Amino acid sequence: NAGVTQTPKFQVLKTGQSMTLQCAQDMNHNSMYWYRQDPGMGLRLIYYSASEGTTDKGEVPNGYNVSRLNKREFSLRLESAAPSQTSVYFCASREGGSYSYTFGSGTRLTVV
Amino acid sequence: KNEVEQSPQNLTAQEGEFITINCSYSVGISALHWLQQHPGGGIVSLFMLSSGKKKHGRLIATINIQEKHSSLHITASHPRDSAVYICAVKRGSQGNLIFGKGTKLSVKP
Repeated sequence: NAGVTQTPKFQVLKTGQSMTLQCAQDMNHNSMYWYRQDPGMGLRLIYYSASEGTTDKGEVPNGYNVSRLNKREFSLRLESAAPSQTSVYFCASREGGSYSYTFGSGTRLTVV
Repeated sequence: KNEVEQSPQNLTAQEGEFITINCSYSVGISALHWLQQHPGGGIVSLFMLSSGKKKHGRLIATINIQEKHSSLHITASHPRDSAVYICAVKRGSQGNLIFGKGTKLSVKP
């Protein structure tokens, strides 16, 4: 039972480079989320997808794009990475109508 | 002022001690979550509460909706309980989670 799988676990980027963080869940959940976690702050919502085919901005969407490729997969793209995007990124999923969330193990991204 | 406040920010305890972590919130909620994050690890959901009290092993979570306050208790603490404990609240049935900054717990043998 994999739950929510994120790849990669670690990544170092140079300023201006692009990359995509991958997230997949095998629980048939409708809703998926991308958060970032920074020192001294609570997790903040970047983007979410309430169902396949829909995406919405969260609290801190600038500099990011997302794709809900299918029900299983929700990717986060940094088109031109900036040092301010150095963070730990978490993907999560939730079944529609449920208040229970499942989190991935995180991606630690450093932008130099 | 943050909508979700946790206290204390850091907590050091001796093995076997009874531990309490507090969470206060300022918005109307439909549910409150307690999450655990081990160093270098992912986030695990411990409890989801909308009223009353829940118990799982040595962990107990309570919520007082009128006072907008929740507590997480750990009985007979153990070094493996060392982690960051995060409180998060959900606003309404369609709202997204709002997270506290977390409480870092260290249990010494």
